[in-house]
Amino acid sequence: EAQVTQNPRYLITVTGKKLTVTCSQNMNHEYMSWYRQDPGLGLRQIYYSMNVEVTDKGDVPEGYKVSRKEKRNFPLILESPSPNQTSLYFCASSRGQGGQPQHFGDGTRLSIL
Amino acid sequence: GQNIDQPTEMTATEGAIVQINCTYQTSGFNGLFWYQQHAGEAPTFLSYNVLDGLEEKGRFSSFLSRSKGYSYLLLKELQMKDSASYLCAVSGGSTLGRLYFGRGTQLTVWP
Repeated sequence: EAQVTQNPRYLITVTGKKLTVTCSQNMNHEYMSWYRQDPGLGLRQIYYSMNVEVTDKGDVPEGYKVSRKEKRNFPLILESPSPNQTSLYFCASSRGQGGQPQHFGDGTRLSIL
Repeated sequence: GQNIDQPTEMTATEGAIVQINCTYQTSGFNGLFWYQQHAGEAPTFLSYNVLDGLEEKGRFSSFLSRSKGYSYLLLKELQMKDSASYLCAVSGGSTLGRLYFGRGTQLTVWP
């Protein structure tokens, strides 16, 4: 089954404790992206990747890192999480950019205390 | 900057037709998407427009006017399961790869 898999689905942690949210897709998609969704603000792009070893900033990259060493994986790293990073996070992938619909993972709800 | 505007909330009754508008101002344009998002779930793709005009897909249609920076999503024969948030998203900006979402329109369908 074609899917985008995020882990963990839920996480409660404390300020400053490094964490990684994994994202994996099995559709051989070139394009992957991370978003955060906050009430009243909608979906905002954090980072995206057009292909392996090619990443770029979105609207809200501060406090986040990403890497794209393999086509299927695009982890989101919070080196020193802070409470303002408490949010719902979505990973998405598509065959390319420009006209290709994005397939979203089920989301990761992060709470930073 | 990029600006995507859509109404925050709309209500309608079962069987009716509803039109959700989206206006955008972006420095580049490579197409406009509509996604549906049920509460607690991931967004799912509904439609894509890159040329002016109407795209029809069953009960859902989407329209684009690039000169006006305007799109709408038309939902016909509304059903209770259509109660969801509808997200307008523009691909483009100054860099290919960027996708800008509106804040979403929460549609409630009443029996």
